[in-house]
Amino acid sequence: DQQVKQNSPSLSVQEGRISILNCDYTNSMFDYFLWYKKYPAEGPTFLISISSIKDKNEDGRFTVFLNKSAKHLSLHIVPSQPGDSAVYFCAASAWDSGGSNYKLTFGKGTLLTVNP
Amino acid sequence: EAGVAQSPRYKIIEKRQSVAFWCNPISGHATLYWYQQILGQGPKLLIQFQNNGVVDDSQLPKDRFSAERLKGVDSTLKIQPAKLEDSAVYLCASSQAWGADEQYFGPGTRLTVT
Repeated sequence: DQQVKQNSPSLSVQEGRISILNCDYTNSMFDYFLWYKKYPAEGPTFLISISSIKDKNEDGRFTVFLNKSAKHLSLHIVPSQPGDSAVYFCAASAWDSGGSNYKLTFGKGTLLTVNP
Repeated sequence: EAGVAQSPRYKIIEKRQSVAFWCNPISGHATLYWYQQILGQGPKLLIQFQNNGVVDDSQLPKDRFSAERLKGVDSTLKIQPAKLEDSAVYLCASSQAWGADEQYFGPGTRLTVT
């Protein structure tokens, strides 16, 4: 049962345009959402996050939008740059069903390619 | 500030052999995580330590996987015996405290079991 879903395995955009990466979740107990970026042969690095009490968080070229009623979040990158080409993971935090651990659940990732 | 260190970076073994991975977290980080990332999947938590105690090992296949963090600093993850389906990248991460949302990941160890 995949609780965090990234339904687009890949996305290709032109340099300077907007990149929109989408993520859906099923667990209504998730209360914090994060995006990680991963380059080949490196570990994921934290990019941006949003609490469930907000609907938008912005950091430079990166903005995350949260729609709790739709259980949907998206990451907008404007303008996109070739260096943004990477795999982007959506992740969400919640207490597990036993209440013993507060942990991250990751989606499968979306490969973003920004073409010069 | 030095990041999370992992070794080896790559390992190829035959099934039924054993293998061990090492992780040194960011200095001062109390919480350490081991994740397994199978190709095409997101990272899956195997085990989480708070200092040298286990917080969560619910997804660790305990018949073949073991992990320790003896002095509350670095950690080792062992697989014995390995199976073909253990082929994956093993990621170590750390965070300042339990429940901290931002985790810092190492580069990972790519394991291939033949």
